[in-house]
Amino acid sequence: EAGVAQSPRYKIIEKRQSVAFWCNPISGHATLYWYQQILGQGPKLLIQFQNNGVVDDSQLPKDRFSAERLKGVDSTLKIQPAKLEDSAVYLCASSLLVNNEQFFGPGTRLTVL
Amino acid sequence: GESVGLHLPTLSVQEGDNSIINCAYSNSASDYFIWYKQESGKGPQFIIDIRSNMDKRQGQRVTVLLNKTVKHLSLQIAATQPGDSAVYFCAETPGFQKLVFGTGTRLLVSP
Repeated sequence: EAGVAQSPRYKIIEKRQSVAFWCNPISGHATLYWYQQILGQGPKLLIQFQNNGVVDDSQLPKDRFSAERLKGVDSTLKIQPAKLEDSAVYLCASSLLVNNEQFFGPGTRLTVL
Repeated sequence: GESVGLHLPTLSVQEGDNSIINCAYSNSASDYFIWYKQESGKGPQFIIDIRSNMDKRQGQRVTVLLNKTVKHLSLQIAATQPGDSAVYFCAETPGFQKLVFGTGTRLLVSP
């Protein structure tokens, strides 16, 4: 079974630029999550989708971050404009259903200069 | 949240030793707990879980202990191997499938 795919693996941008990350969850997984993992910390949930609907985006900085999962499969996370403190690894995870085990992708390491 | 990584709590053990990694969780309403292993450049990987109606659960070479009175979790790894070297996170679920990750611990296994 293929795992969660993410791209790009690495991205370096300057502050105030925009960036987008892509995630392809495990086939058939209805729930998709985006996490932010700052160096030295545990992952922090940004947004959770159930199919193409948002379940929880309470910790998403909505003034600069946006995410979508239009067809209930792939998802994109965008940051515009980026700040220095956005430097982190952005992890995507998926689960078959609510309350099932979450499977994580390898993450995208973002560096904002 | 707690800071790990550059100032990561680190446990150094010899190959073959038993390892114990501890975690304090914050929400007394959490009813499900998970231990994850994260290797460099990879996402967290599920190791073992436990529900709040249990105080111990065993897997292959791993055991999780839960003490709800003091809100404490521990992960025991038997006969630690170099491949066990990684950062270990505990996570709790204070809400609807919402995972809250705790302090990470770096495990270093020397051959």
